[in-house]
Amino acid sequence: QAVVTQEPSLTVSPGGTVTLTCGSSTGAVTSGHYPYWFQQKPGQAPRALIYDTGTKHSWTPARFSGFLLGGKAALTLSGAQPEDEAEYYCLLCYSDALVVIGGGTKLTVL
Amino acid sequence: EVQLLESGGGLLQSGGSLRLSCAASGFTFSRHGMSWIRQVPGKGLERVSGISGSGDSTYHADSVKGRFTISRDNSKNTLYLQMNTLRVEDTAVYYCARGFWRELLFDYWGHGTLVTVSS
Repeated sequence: QAVVTQEPSLTVSPGGTVTLTCGSSTGAVTSGHYPYWFQQKPGQAPRALIYDTGTKHSWTPARFSGFLLGGKAALTLSGAQPEDEAEYYCLLCYSDALVVIGGGTKLTVL
Repeated sequence: EVQLLESGGGLLQSGGSLRLSCAASGFTFSRHGMSWIRQVPGKGLERVSGISGSGDSTYHADSVKGRFTISRDNSKNTLYLQMNTLRVEDTAVYYCARGFWRELLFDYWGHGTLVTVSS
């Protein structure tokens, strides 16, 4: 079973920029993994942010962007806001209906 | 407006059974696969089961295979998860989410329902 790895925690200053990454135990992450990113705040259900590597939902703030970087999926937040403090999860698709969600990155805006 | 509303969670003893429901509205239910995703309190997310829009294709994670069964009733716009032989480690918030495989995944989520299994 594949394992999806994320940084356990990151900190960004208000107005700053931070990049979260998402790796796969099976090798390089590619567009064929259709990387997804979700945001979850305490006590709430996850909210979809990005799909297919870098496509935003209609509700996704413009300051979030997704891409591939050095064999990993990446999520960059440019101009961090206090309300962006949350847990961020990456999801990768494998074969045979297997989707694996990473352990999450706790992002602190401080 | 897309809405997903889970119900059926509760407290029960190890070895027991429970059926979760997810009532969907705001979209053509039969055109979308659906999934159940769980989250142990304070931990990460795990997709435990998924089903195609027609119901003819399903997926269950190894952790629940043989114990959980996902199903749907498209006439009632409702998704189900039958959970049998429950274990303490099944304790989690269970979310239903739109999407299964080879389609947009998890763009909409329910609020979740808590299942607590005691020993």
